[in-house]
Amino acid sequence: AQSVTQLDSHVSVSEGTPVLLRCNYSSSYSPSLFWYVQHPNKGLQLLLKYTSAATLVKGINGFEAEFKKSETSFHLTKPSAHMSDAAEYFCVVSGSYNQGGKLIFGQGTELSVKP
Amino acid sequence: KAGVTQTPRYLIKTRGQQVTLSCSPISGHRSVSWYQQTPGQGLQFLFEYFSETQRNKGNFPGRFSGRQFSNSRSEMNVSTLELGDSALYLCASSAGGEDTQYFGPGTRLTVL
Repeated sequence: AQSVTQLDSHVSVSEGTPVLLRCNYSSSYSPSLFWYVQHPNKGLQLLLKYTSAATLVKGINGFEAEFKKSETSFHLTKPSAHMSDAAEYFCVVSGSYNQGGKLIFGQGTELSVKP
Repeated sequence: KAGVTQTPRYLIKTRGQQVTLSCSPISGHRSVSWYQQTPGQGLQFLFEYFSETQRNKGNFPGRFSGRQFSNSRSEMNVSTLELGDSALYLCASSAGGEDTQYFGPGTRLTVL
């Protein structure tokens, strides 16, 4: 069975400093991995997706994530936080075709950005 | 292209009632998935429809059901509402053969 663990439930950074949101996954095969962001009272927005083309994936709004198979990790980073980055972030793994498009979500990391 | 739309955005119901939520996918997308989001359980998969057929189902009681129409629009129904059904219900669509899902804004259901 596949699973995702987000290692921090809450991360607080100052504006202009780097962001690191950590995610470990478990999968019996090479999965698709995603990061989604959810701003208060909004739906989920796709930040980036890893397939297998490149281990470093660039997403929207300056975010990127690196897939490390040896560590089963898919951490999300951004060089410089902005106030508008304050939101909840979800690391997600997709099921196989036989799982009919089911996405498996981590518990989320709430990112706070201090001025 | 227009994104995924969900109606209504907010609903208030009382215990024992039933509710129907609607989702219109991105044009051309044939797969629609539904998720429940609560503070305690996080985001949980309800079911997925593809070409009017339920392709996968999560671990929810039979009170939760859904369907998909020939134009790919989908509805989910919850019967005999319980307080614990209060949640944000999110719909997502994807193109056939793609596992990237695009989410709507959700329907906030409150059960009193």
